[in-house]
Amino acid sequence: SQQGEEDPQALSIQEGENATMNCSYKTSINNLQWYRQNSGRGLVHLILIRSNEREKHSGRLRVTLDTSKKSSSLLITASRAADTASYFCATGLQGAQKLVFGQGTRLTINP
Amino acid sequence: GAVVSQHPSWVICKSGTSVKIECRSLDFQATTMFWYRQFPKQSLMLMATSNEGSKATYEQGVEKDKFLINHASLTLSTLTVTSAHPEDSSFYICSAKEWVTNEKLFFGSGTQLSVL
Repeated sequence: SQQGEEDPQALSIQEGENATMNCSYKTSINNLQWYRQNSGRGLVHLILIRSNEREKHSGRLRVTLDTSKKSSSLLITASRAADTASYFCATGLQGAQKLVFGQGTRLTINP
Repeated sequence: GAVVSQHPSWVICKSGTSVKIECRSLDFQATTMFWYRQFPKQSLMLMATSNEGSKATYEQGVEKDKFLINHASLTLSTLTVTSAHPEDSSFYICSAKEWVTNEKLFFGSGTQLSVL
């Protein structure tokens, strides 16, 4: 069953603006990861944040994790048309091999 | 970065035939691979976890005899959709766990299956 709930389901912004996506989960985790999927393609790993971390940066990406609220956010700054894709959060559960994916946010960057 | 190769990219077949999808880790050994199914504009649904040299672990509701998984080597896992029907039409994606920290996943490019 899906653990992650992502918000919003779809987001459309102008190029250059910042995009923020949120993810909530239900059970204890080891880590939370964000992936990107271009239409009709596989997923690409973007960033991983561990349960004992609160914030992480990678280029134009900023991820936060609040384990007390069981939520995470992904911020993409200075968006580009090439950022148009679906973004998924995935949780690495304690004691489990698999990752559980959220429903995803479809991001559209308008030039 | 690590590369996972998935073939074919797309396949069209007649109802009742079987289709095999291959997933290869090209530059690393993958003791664990995962198979997902994805419907348009939806999330990934985990079908099974494939472990090298042992039987796959299927998720609840996934038919083992319908979706045969073989992970005979450290670099290859296959998914065979047996006696495919139109309702099996979907996007199938494989992934392998990164071998150093065993945390993140590397994904194949997916296979679009259309059953007529």
